[in-house]
Amino acid sequence: DAGVIQSPRHEVTEMGQEVTLRCKPISGHDYLFWYRQTMMRGLELLIYFNNNVPIDDSGMPEDRFSAKMPNASFSTLKIQPSEPRDSAVYFCASSPTRGLSYEQYFGPGTRLTVT
Amino acid sequence: QKEVEQNSGPLSVPEGAIASLNCTYSDRGSQSFFWYRQYSGKSPELIMFIYSNGDKEDGRFTAQLNKASQYVSLLIRDSQPSDSATYLCAVMNTGFQKLVFGTGTRLLVSP
Repeated sequence: DAGVIQSPRHEVTEMGQEVTLRCKPISGHDYLFWYRQTMMRGLELLIYFNNNVPIDDSGMPEDRFSAKMPNASFSTLKIQPSEPRDSAVYFCASSPTRGLSYEQYFGPGTRLTVT
Repeated sequence: QKEVEQNSGPLSVPEGAIASLNCTYSDRGSQSFFWYRQYSGKSPELIMFIYSNGDKEDGRFTAQLNKASQYVSLLIRDSQPSDSATYLCAVMNTGFQKLVFGTGTRLLVSP
């Protein structure tokens, strides 16, 4: 059974460019989360979806960030324009709803470097 | 005050010893508690979770909850060098799917 899939695994871009990160959640999971991890701030939740609907985007740092989930098997996180301070590892995670079971399973992450 | 706090470490223990990792949380409404292990350069991996109704043991790992003092602990018995990683504590509040993560404790198990 495939886990959460993310692409690309590494992205290097210049300041001002648009960056799109992609995620395929585990089949059957109805929650999807986007996180950002840096040494300084640790793991931060950016946004999460339930059944493809954005539920909480309070962690999105600013309007340069946007996320979509057009269907149950695909989500994107877009940064436009990118800035050096956006450099981080971005993780996607998914979770099923089984009673009280809310375990989140993480993808391998995308390491973003903005120069 | 941070919502979830952990000592950054490193916590160094010899092989075969018990490693004890702790985490404190600020929201008394928290109901579910999770421990993730993250190897360097890898993604967080769920190893244990407990709900507000008790402790849990799984192999060499035991998660304990002290609601009165608002802390969660993870005990690793017979620690192995392969346990060397950063351990992230995460807390979820009732009615929400959001996990709030601590910044992690780095564990080093020496042979």
